Amino acid sequence: EVQLVESGGGLVQPGGSLRLSCAASGFTFNSHGMTWVRQAPGKRLEWISYISASSSTIYYADSVKGRFTISRDSAKNSLYLQMNSLRAEDTAVYYCARDQHYYAHWGQGALVTVSS
Amino acid sequence: DIQMTQSPSSLSASVGDRVTITCQASQDISNYLNWYQQKPGKAPKLLIYDASNLETGVPSRFSGSGSGTDFTFTISSLQPEDIATYYCQQYDNLPYTFGQGTKLDFK
Repeated sequence: EVQLVESGGGLVQPGGSLRLSCAASGFTFNSHGMTWVRQAPGKRLEWISYISASSSTIYYADSVKGRFTISRDSAKNSLYLQMNSLRAEDTAVYYCARDQHYYAHWGQGALVTVSS
Repeated sequence: DIQMTQSPSSLSASVGDRVTITCQASQDISNYLNWYQQKPGKAPKLLIYDASNLETGVPSRFSGSGSGTDFTFTISSLQPEDIATYYCQQYDNLPYTFGQGTKLDFK
């Protein structure tokens, strides 16, 4: 069974940093690209980043480009999102999802709250 | 960015009703369109991919159609467990974008 489990969410002050992790199991992690999607309270889903299976291709939404960094560790079957220079508008539930174009597998979500 | 507009934003229906949601893209996206169901506090669930393909394990009362800029999502006979918010998503161009959602509840 495919499982994706996020961790690392929490409360952070504006300008601060946080690193989200997504532990993957139940599939060959090295064979799949991975995506981060977020959802601000009461808002629509927002695609924010993608990394290919080999890490050779990476994309970001303009809203996070230059502040967030996606990465993966095949030895640990894990996906990461390093979030720097956080803003109030980054407050959201962050989901990791498998694959690039459509998402049949999602994590449970990690809540990130940016507030002083 | 490609804008995805769903209609209606909210919808009230009864058990057994046929429910239809539309999604319009701001430019031609071929059939690169997916539909998701999201219940409160939960991750989205993929229902339809590539506009009309039913994801494995999803009941056949769900269906999708369309291409280009106009898409339709249909529940043929609404069941109690279908109460949720539904989102369309395009993946023709980066950034991949979602519709604003259609909140479905009971009349």
